[in-house]
Amino acid sequence: DTGVSQNPRHKITKRGQNVTFRCDPISEHNRLYWYRQTLGQGPEFLTYFQNEAQLEKSRLLSDRFSAERPKGSFSTLEIQRTEQGDSAMYLCASSLDPGPYEQYFGPGTRLTVT
Amino acid sequence: KQEVTQIPAALSVPEGENLVLNCSFTDSAIYNLQWFRQDPGKGLTSLLLIQSSQREQTSGRLNASLDKSSGRSTLYIAASQPGDSATYLCAVHYSGGGADGLTFGKGTHLIIQP
Repeated sequence: DTGVSQNPRHKITKRGQNVTFRCDPISEHNRLYWYRQTLGQGPEFLTYFQNEAQLEKSRLLSDRFSAERPKGSFSTLEIQRTEQGDSAMYLCASSLDPGPYEQYFGPGTRLTVT
Repeated sequence: KQEVTQIPAALSVPEGENLVLNCSFTDSAIYNLQWFRQDPGKGLTSLLLIQSSQREQTSGRLNASLDKSSGRSTLYIAASQPGDSATYLCAVHYSGGGADGLTFGKGTHLIIQP
Protein backbone atom coordinates (compact mmCIF):
# COMPACT_ATOMS: atom_id res chain seq x y z
CA ASP A 1 0.00 0.00 0.00
CA THR A 2 1.55 3.30 -1.11
CA GLY A 3 -0.70 5.63 0.86
CA VAL A 4 -3.12 8.25 -0.39
CA SER A 5 -2.62 9.29 -4.01
CA GLN A 6 -3.98 12.31 -5.88
CA ASN A 7 -4.11 13.19 -9.55
CA PRO A 8 -3.21 15.39 -11.21
CA ARG A 9 -0.47 16.90 -9.08
CA HIS A 10 -0.71 20.23 -10.86
CA LYS A 11 -3.50 21.82 -12.88
CA ILE A 12 -3.48 25.16 -14.67
CA THR A 13 -6.81 26.30 -16.07
CA LYS A 14 -8.43 29.44 -17.36
CA ARG A 15 -11.13 31.20 -15.43
CA GLY A 16 -14.56 29.80 -16.21
CA GLN A 17 -13.38 26.28 -17.05
CA ASN A 18 -14.37 23.17 -15.12
CA VAL A 19 -11.76 20.99 -13.42
CA THR A 20 -11.89 17.58 -11.75
CA PHE A 21 -9.45 16.07 -9.27
CA ARG A 22 -9.16 12.47 -8.17
CA CYS A 23 -8.18 10.96 -4.82
CA ASP A 24 -7.41 7.31 -4.11
CA PRO A 25 -7.39 6.63 -0.34
CA ILE A 26 -5.53 3.96 1.59
CA SER A 27 -7.30 0.80 0.50
CA GLU A 28 -8.89 -0.26 3.79
CA HIS A 29 -9.90 3.27 4.85
CA ASN A 30 -13.65 3.93 4.75
CA ARG A 31 -13.47 7.69 5.50
CA LEU A 32 -12.26 10.19 2.92
CA TYR A 33 -11.81 13.94 3.42
CA TRP A 34 -11.17 16.93 1.16
CA TYR A 35 -9.35 20.07 2.32
CA ARG A 36 -8.18 23.27 0.65
CA GLN A 37 -4.96 25.10 1.57
CA THR A 38 -3.87 28.55 0.47
CA LEU A 39 -0.39 29.98 0.87
CA GLY A 40 0.64 30.57 4.46
CA GLN A 41 -2.53 29.04 5.90
CA GLY A 42 -3.40 25.71 7.40
CA PRO A 43 -5.71 23.39 5.44
CA GLU A 44 -9.44 24.12 5.64
CA PHE A 45 -11.98 21.30 5.73
CA LEU A 46 -14.34 21.05 2.74
CA THR A 47 -16.22 17.76 2.99
CA TYR A 48 -15.98 14.10 3.97
CA PHE A 49 -17.38 10.71 3.06
CA GLN A 50 -18.12 7.62 5.09
CA ASN A 51 -17.95 4.90 2.43
CA GLU A 52 -20.03 6.35 -0.45
CA ALA A 53 -22.14 8.69 1.71
CA GLN A 54 -21.21 12.38 1.87
CA LEU A 55 -21.85 13.16 5.54
CA GLU A 56 -20.66 16.71 6.02
CA LYS A 57 -20.03 19.78 3.89
CA SER A 58 -18.31 22.96 5.01
CA ARG A 59 -19.73 26.40 4.25
CA LEU A 60 -16.59 26.82 2.11
CA LEU A 61 -18.03 24.31 -0.36
CA SER A 62 -19.99 26.61 -2.64
CA ASP A 63 -22.51 25.29 -5.15
CA ARG A 64 -19.78 25.35 -7.81
CA PHE A 65 -18.04 22.52 -5.96
CA SER A 66 -19.24 18.92 -6.02
CA ALA A 67 -17.64 15.79 -4.63
CA GLU A 68 -18.46 12.15 -5.20
CA ARG A 69 -17.33 8.77 -3.98
CA PRO A 70 -19.54 6.47 -6.04
CA LYS A 71 -18.28 3.06 -4.96
CA GLY A 72 -16.82 3.96 -1.62
CA SER A 73 -13.28 3.79 -2.97
CA PHE A 74 -11.80 6.70 -4.96
CA SER A 75 -13.33 10.18 -4.85
CA THR A 76 -13.55 13.08 -7.28
CA LEU A 77 -13.81 16.79 -6.56
CA GLU A 78 -15.16 18.96 -9.37
CA ILE A 79 -15.06 22.73 -9.54
CA GLN A 80 -17.32 24.33 -12.11
CA ARG A 81 -16.79 27.80 -13.60
CA THR A 82 -13.46 28.24 -11.85
CA GLU A 83 -12.54 31.63 -10.40
CA GLN A 84 -9.10 33.02 -9.54
CA GLY A 85 -9.97 32.66 -5.85
CA ASP A 86 -10.14 28.90 -6.34
CA SER A 87 -6.36 28.80 -6.81
CA ALA A 88 -5.07 26.67 -3.94
CA MET A 89 -3.71 23.28 -2.98
CA TYR A 90 -6.48 20.69 -2.74
CA LEU A 91 -5.65 17.95 -0.26
CA CYS A 92 -7.27 14.59 0.25
CA ALA A 93 -7.00 12.47 3.40
CA SER A 94 -8.36 9.14 4.57
CA SER A 95 -8.92 7.42 7.89
CA LEU A 96 -10.45 4.31 9.35
CA ASP A 97 -13.78 4.12 11.16
CA PRO A 98 -14.06 3.17 13.99
CA GLY A 99 -11.54 5.58 15.50
CA PRO A 100 -9.11 6.94 16.49
CA TYR A 101 -9.56 8.50 13.02
CA GLU A 102 -5.91 9.32 12.39
CA GLN A 103 -5.93 11.11 9.04
CA TYR A 104 -3.35 10.36 6.36
CA PHE A 105 -2.89 12.92 3.63
CA GLY A 106 -2.04 12.68 -0.04
CA PRO A 107 0.47 14.92 -1.87
CA GLY A 108 -2.23 17.35 -3.01
CA THR A 109 -3.29 18.88 -6.31
CA ARG A 110 -2.03 22.41 -6.95
CA LEU A 111 -4.67 24.39 -8.90
CA THR A 112 -3.79 27.64 -10.62
CA VAL A 113 -6.62 29.60 -12.24
CA THR A 114 -5.41 32.23 -14.72
CA LYS B 1 -16.03 29.58 16.44
CA GLN B 2 -13.59 26.75 17.05
CA GLU B 3 -10.04 27.98 16.42
CA VAL B 4 -6.50 26.64 16.66
CA THR B 5 -3.55 28.96 17.24
CA GLN B 6 0.13 28.10 16.87
CA ILE B 7 2.99 30.03 18.42
CA PRO B 8 5.56 30.96 17.25
CA ALA B 9 4.74 31.46 13.57
CA ALA B 10 8.41 30.96 12.72
CA LEU B 11 11.45 29.67 14.55
CA SER B 12 15.12 29.39 13.60
CA VAL B 13 17.53 27.50 15.86
CA PRO B 14 21.00 25.95 15.56
CA GLU B 15 21.31 22.24 15.00
CA GLY B 16 21.32 20.13 18.15
CA GLU B 17 18.98 22.29 20.22
CA ASN B 18 15.83 20.99 21.87
CA LEU B 19 12.74 23.01 21.02
CA VAL B 20 9.05 23.33 21.81
CA LEU B 21 6.23 24.26 19.47
CA ASN B 22 2.95 25.43 20.97
CA CYS B 23 -0.67 24.91 19.97
CA SER B 24 -3.78 26.26 21.66
CA PHE B 25 -7.44 25.54 20.92
CA THR B 26 -10.62 27.28 21.97
CA ASP B 27 -12.92 24.36 22.81
CA SER B 28 -11.96 21.55 25.19
CA ALA B 29 -14.53 19.17 23.65
CA ILE B 30 -12.02 17.46 21.40
CA TYR B 31 -11.87 13.90 20.10
CA ASN B 32 -8.17 13.93 19.28
CA LEU B 33 -5.29 16.19 18.24
CA GLN B 34 -2.77 15.51 15.49
CA TRP B 35 0.61 17.04 14.75
CA PHE B 36 1.72 17.10 11.12
CA ARG B 37 4.82 18.07 9.22
CA GLN B 38 4.61 19.75 5.79
CA ASP B 39 7.56 20.27 3.46
CA PRO B 40 7.31 23.09 0.87
CA GLY B 41 4.80 22.30 -1.86
CA LYS B 42 4.05 18.87 -0.42
CA GLY B 43 1.24 17.13 1.41
CA LEU B 44 1.07 16.55 5.16
CA THR B 45 2.87 13.81 7.06
CA SER B 46 1.24 12.67 10.29
CA LEU B 47 3.71 12.77 13.18
CA LEU B 48 1.68 12.02 16.29
CA LEU B 49 -1.95 11.60 17.27
CA ILE B 50 -3.10 12.13 20.86
CA GLN B 51 -6.55 10.93 21.81
CA SER B 52 -8.58 13.04 24.24
CA SER B 53 -8.03 10.52 27.05
CA GLN B 54 -4.24 10.64 26.66
CA ARG B 55 -1.74 13.13 28.07
CA GLU B 56 1.19 12.51 25.74
CA GLN B 57 2.58 10.49 22.86
CA THR B 58 6.17 9.84 21.83
CA SER B 59 7.77 8.86 18.55
CA GLY B 60 11.54 8.85 18.35
CA ARG B 61 12.80 12.37 19.05
CA LEU B 62 9.27 13.78 19.12
CA ASN B 63 7.02 14.09 22.16
CA ALA B 64 3.57 15.65 22.09
CA SER B 65 1.54 16.56 25.15
CA LEU B 66 -2.11 17.43 25.57
CA ASP B 67 -3.82 19.46 28.32
CA LYS B 68 -7.51 19.66 27.47
CA SER B 69 -8.43 21.75 30.49
CA SER B 70 -6.12 24.58 29.45
CA GLY B 71 -6.68 24.04 25.72
CA ARG B 72 -3.00 23.47 24.96
CA SER B 73 -0.70 21.02 23.23
CA THR B 74 3.07 21.12 22.80
CA LEU B 75 5.37 19.34 20.39
CA TYR B 76 8.85 18.79 21.78
CA ILE B 77 11.66 18.03 19.33
CA ALA B 78 14.87 16.73 20.86
CA ALA B 79 18.33 17.17 19.38
CA SER B 80 17.10 19.01 16.29
CA GLN B 81 18.61 18.24 12.86
CA PRO B 82 18.61 20.21 9.58
CA GLY B 83 16.24 17.57 8.17
CA ASP B 84 13.65 18.68 10.73
CA SER B 85 13.25 21.96 8.83
CA ALA B 86 9.62 22.16 7.72
CA THR B 87 6.27 23.66 8.70
CA TYR B 88 4.63 21.94 11.67
CA LEU B 89 0.85 21.98 11.83
CA CYS B 90 -1.41 21.25 14.78
CA ALA B 91 -4.93 20.02 14.02
CA VAL B 92 -7.86 19.36 16.32
CA HIS B 93 -10.71 16.91 15.72
CA TYR B 94 -13.53 18.49 17.67
CA SER B 95 -16.17 16.12 19.00
CA GLY B 96 -19.91 16.46 18.61
CA GLY B 97 -22.04 18.46 16.20
CA GLY B 98 -20.99 16.43 13.20
CA ALA B 99 -17.69 18.32 13.00
CA ASP B 100 -15.59 15.49 11.66
CA GLY B 101 -13.09 17.56 9.71
CA LEU B 102 -9.86 18.69 11.33
CA THR B 103 -9.43 22.32 12.35
CA PHE B 104 -5.85 23.43 11.66
CA GLY B 105 -3.60 26.15 12.97
CA LYS B 106 -1.54 28.21 10.53
CA GLY B 107 1.61 26.30 11.45
CA THR B 108 5.08 27.01 12.78
CA HIS B 109 7.77 27.40 10.10
CA LEU B 110 10.89 25.79 11.56
CA ILE B 111 14.43 26.25 10.26
CA ILE B 112 17.29 24.26 11.78
CA GLN B 113 20.62 25.88 10.98
CA PRO B 114 23.49 23.44 10.25
